[in-house]
Amino acid sequence: NAGVTQTPKFQVLKTGQSMTLQCAQDMNHNSMYWYRQDPGMGLRLIYYSASEGTTDKGEVPNGYNVSRLNKREFSLRLESAAPSQTSVYFCASESQGRGRGAKNIQYFGAGTRLSVL
Amino acid sequence: AQSVTQLGSHVSVSEGALVLLRCNYSSSVPPYLFWYVQYPNQGLQLLLKYTSAATLVKGINGFEAEFKKSETSFHLTKPSAHMSDAAEYFCAVSAGETSGSRLTFGEGTQLTVNP
Repeated sequence: NAGVTQTPKFQVLKTGQSMTLQCAQDMNHNSMYWYRQDPGMGLRLIYYSASEGTTDKGEVPNGYNVSRLNKREFSLRLESAAPSQTSVYFCASESQGRGRGAKNIQYFGAGTRLSVL
Repeated sequence: AQSVTQLGSHVSVSEGALVLLRCNYSSSVPPYLFWYVQYPNQGLQLLLKYTSAATLVKGINGFEAEFKKSETSFHLTKPSAHMSDAAEYFCAVSAGETSGSRLTFGEGTQLTVNP
């Protein structure tokens, strides 16, 4: 079972370069999320998509854009990378399954480690 | 609005000792509460989840957590630590059942297990 797949796993950028982080899930989930993880700060929500065709800002959206391409794919774009965007980025999708036990569980990808020089 | 505070960014225990990781939450609505674990260079995995059913929740790998509304706490415990439990643990809160309910994470607690 693939679950949530993120590409690339590692990336080094120079300040001002752009790139897109890809995320795909094969669990037929409606909701998808992008987080960044920095030491001592836990995970902070960048953007999320509650369903195909909708996106909303999270806690730290500045400097990022997202696209919910279809139900499976949710990409994160850095238009002009800055050193402050050096971080580990995680994509997640959320179950909406039957019964309370199965709902609202987020499944995470393995992450993209990004360095901006 | 919701928030999570994890007390202690680093916890160290001996193998076989009790593990106690502390989490306090704040939520304006009845919360859903979660514990996730992150092993080195991996994504987060769900350990357990509270959704207003039983207050004592059992998860994977022998972990459990107790929801105490009066103390706004959701501490994670395991009776006997194993070396494989060394990881970072995150407590998280969400507003409940709607699709797209946003998780708010604590800052994480790094658990070290000493032989």
